[in-house]
Parts: sequence; structure tokens; C-alpha cells
Amino acid sequence: AQKITQTQPGMFVQEKEAVTLDCTYDTSDPSYGLFWYKQPSSGEMIFLIYQGSYDQQNATEGRYSLNFQKARKSANLVISASQLGDSAMYFCAMRETGANNLFFGTGTRLTVIP
Amino acid sequence: DTEVTQTPKHLVMGMTNKKSLKCEQHMGHRAMYWYKQKAKKPPELMFVYSYEKLSINESVPSRFSPECPNSSLLNLHLHALQPEDSALYLCASSQERFIQSSYNEQFFGPGTRLTVL
Repeated sequence: AQKITQTQPGMFVQEKEAVTLDCTYDTSDPSYGLFWYKQPSSGEMIFLIYQGSYDQQNATEGRYSLNFQKARKSANLVISASQLGDSAMYFCAMRETGANNLFFGTGTRLTVIP
Repeated sequence: DTEVTQTPKHLVMGMTNKKSLKCEQHMGHRAMYWYKQKAKKPPELMFVYSYEKLSINESVPSRFSPECPNSSLLNLHLHALQPEDSALYLCASSQERFIQSSYNEQFFGPGTRLTVL
């Protein structure tokens, strides 16, 4: 079974609007972390935001916020006030405590339209 | 210094060549990773080094040979590659591989785009 599912292969958003990128996950480990990375066409994976499974509040980092719904096992990324530079591939990833690596979703390509 | 550097940025090699990819970090991280990423796909873990020892090999063919000379450096030696090995190779580092918290952010380098002819 897929540990991380991103069902939106591509998304478009108007500049200055908000956009939500979906991510659902599957784990039986009670302790885990969820990450969002941005990958521009240059290739570098840029860390955006982290949410721990025991965190009571949704994580926020500037224009990025994570809509964490633990019971639904979803961790959607919300980008507010989209900018042209936000056009990139976005990956959701999960790490189970003590696990060796990050499990990545298949990614969502976001295009910001002027 | 919160940067992971990788050289070269681009590499084109023939199937009989021997080449090496290099990765360096100066954040004091003791875990380092190699990932392979094909176009329009997520990164796939290849190797994990923890405290300079190879701890994970995700069934990678022997034509890829990792090396960790010290805690700041990670190399990937390439020999007799196939055209299907063409991909973006990403290096990453993190503070520790096993910690009590689930938070273990991996810092990624810019990658090496490898083309095998």
C-alpha cells in the first residue's frame, strides 16, 4: 500500500490567490512526521514545513500552512497569496519514528498564472 | 552553513566510463543519503550512511558504489552504467538517523543530472 498519496498531478492557481495541495498518508505507527518539499525545475528539494503526529496545532511557516487532520490521515499544504516563484513540483513525505528514510508521494506540479 | 553541495552539476558519461559524484555538508550531520530521481517521479532512496558507516543499501546494483571518507563527505562511484541510470542524483543529510522524535529534516543538495550515453 502507498504510504503517501498525492492525487493531484497538476494544479493551477491565479497569482495572489490561495491554493491547497492534497496529501493523505497511511501508517500504523503512532509517532510520525509529515514534511512538504518544493522542487523547482533546477532540481533542489527545498524543505517547506513539518508537522509532527503529536503536534496539537497546525504548522505554519510564512505563507505555508499545513492543514493536519489526523483522523482522516491527511496533511494538506495551503499556500496563501501565490507568487509566480511558487511554480514548482511539491512533494509530501512522511517519516515514521526510527525509520530509515522519507516516504515520498508522487508529487503535484503547481503552476501559478499571472 | 546550512548547505549541502554537490558536484558536478551535470555529468555525461559513456557506459564504459568511471566517474564519481561528490556531496559535502558542514552542518555536523551524521546521516547522509543518496537518492535517485527519474523525471516526473519522486526521489528513491539508494543508500544511507550513519556515522560514516553504510547502514542502508536499497538493493542498488553494484555499478553504484558509495563511499563516506569522513562525516562531511559522501561520494558515489559510477562504473559501467546503463542508459536507464540517467537521472537526477540527490544527496541529503540530517542530524541523526534514529531519534526519538519523528522530526529529522533532511537537507538536500541541488543534485547532479546524470546522462548515460
